[in-house]
Amino acid sequence: DADVTQTPRNRITKTGKRIMLECSQTKGHDRMYWYRQDPGLGLRLIYYSFDVKDINKGEISDGYSVSRQAQAKFSLSLESAIPNQTALYFCATSDTGTGAEQYFGPGTRLTVT
Amino acid sequence: QKEVEQNSGPLSVPEGAIASLNCTYSDRGSQSFFWYRQYSGKSPELIMSIYSNGDKEDGRFTAQLNKASQYVSLLIRDSQPSDSATYLCAVNARGSTLGRLYFGRGTQLTVWP
Repeated sequence: DADVTQTPRNRITKTGKRIMLECSQTKGHDRMYWYRQDPGLGLRLIYYSFDVKDINKGEISDGYSVSRQAQAKFSLSLESAIPNQTALYFCATSDTGTGAEQYFGPGTRLTVT
Repeated sequence: QKEVEQNSGPLSVPEGAIASLNCTYSDRGSQSFFWYRQYSGKSPELIMSIYSNGDKEDGRFTAQLNKASQYVSLLIRDSQPSDSATYLCAVNARGSTLGRLYFGRGTQLTVWP
């Protein structure tokens, strides 16, 4: 079984709808991250969490919110989806430590029409 | 703003050749450096980590780090068509954002038979 899973894998939604993307991990890592990837723009950090009680904004948090329900679960919500949030979304995890490597989930392809 | 710059590419090499991918970073305090491989439509996969100046070899891959020049590279020897992918350079952040990674936009590599 995959160590980092994301649901759904693909989603098409309409402008104005609320949508939640979910991430679960069995790696036992404390740290979790949400990124979005757009062609030509690379990976951009949306939110990150270093433990269950810690939530931090990344570079592009506007229009997004997150919830860290447990060590293993980190959800990303789009409160009112808009077309420019169409992107590939990745969840990642890492262990504690200054140089901890990040491991990515398979991604969610989100289309907002 | 912490920056990670990569050759924009695309880079095209024949099968069996050495592919050289380069990355520079702006934060002189960075301590950890990573190379990820990403196939089209898939998630980034960690292939190399390097923490000290010099070379680190793993199979056909060699990572090179020069902190004085703020430069990290990835060499792929005996390149294979299966190495065709986008390669992402990632650098950690120091200070209060320890654990965060900053990603370059990636270099697309094509290995032709």
